[in-house]
Amino acid sequence: AQSVSQHNHHVILSEAASLELGCNYSYGGTVNLFWYVQYPGQHLQLLLKYFSGDPLVKGIKGFEAEFIKSKFSFNLRKPSVQWSDTAEYFCAVTPSGGYQKVTFGIGTKLQVIP
Amino acid sequence: DAGVIQSPRHEVTEMGQEVTLRCKPISGHNSLFWYRQTMMRGLELLIYFNNNVPIDDSGMPEDRFSAKMPNASFSTLKIQPSEPRDSAVYFCASSFNRGRNNEQFFGPGTRLTVL
Repeated sequence: AQSVSQHNHHVILSEAASLELGCNYSYGGTVNLFWYVQYPGQHLQLLLKYFSGDPLVKGIKGFEAEFIKSKFSFNLRKPSVQWSDTAEYFCAVTPSGGYQKVTFGIGTKLQVIP
Repeated sequence: DAGVIQSPRHEVTEMGQEVTLRCKPISGHNSLFWYRQTMMRGLELLIYFNNNVPIDDSGMPEDRFSAKMPNASFSTLKIQPSEPRDSAVYFCASSFNRGRNNEQFFGPGTRLTVL
């Protein structure tokens, strides 16, 4: 079974700082990878996804993530955060095709200070 | 499209009462998921339906929890009897299973408080 590790549980940044949230997964086969964001009091929304092709994936609101297969990693990045990026971020992995159980990481709470 | 619809949005009940949560997936989606989110355990998959059939219910905590999907446009998650430790936000999500394109769309959640 697959698993996901998010190393930073709580991150505090000032506006305009750069962001990188770590995500590592374990699974022996081909995977699909996701980052979801949950703004305070809201439901999860897809930020970006990787299925195949270019390992550098660009998502909404200036976020991007890079899939490094050799490191089993899918880190989320943003060059300059805004106060409105304050939210919880979840990395998720699912085996490609077939039964699509998605395994979520524990989440990283990001707090951006104005 | 209205997205995934869940009701109620908030539910407060007393221990021992039956609770029923409802979900309407996005039209055309053939997979439905129930998740529970708590501070301690994060987001946990409870059960997964594909074409209205339960495929994986290994995440259902115990016999007090049951889920049904009588048709492609409706699912329920029932807790009977409810306990304070069931307090959580319950999310429903749906997707269209067509090979590798398995992005899930989440509903707004039901915040359950059991007193």
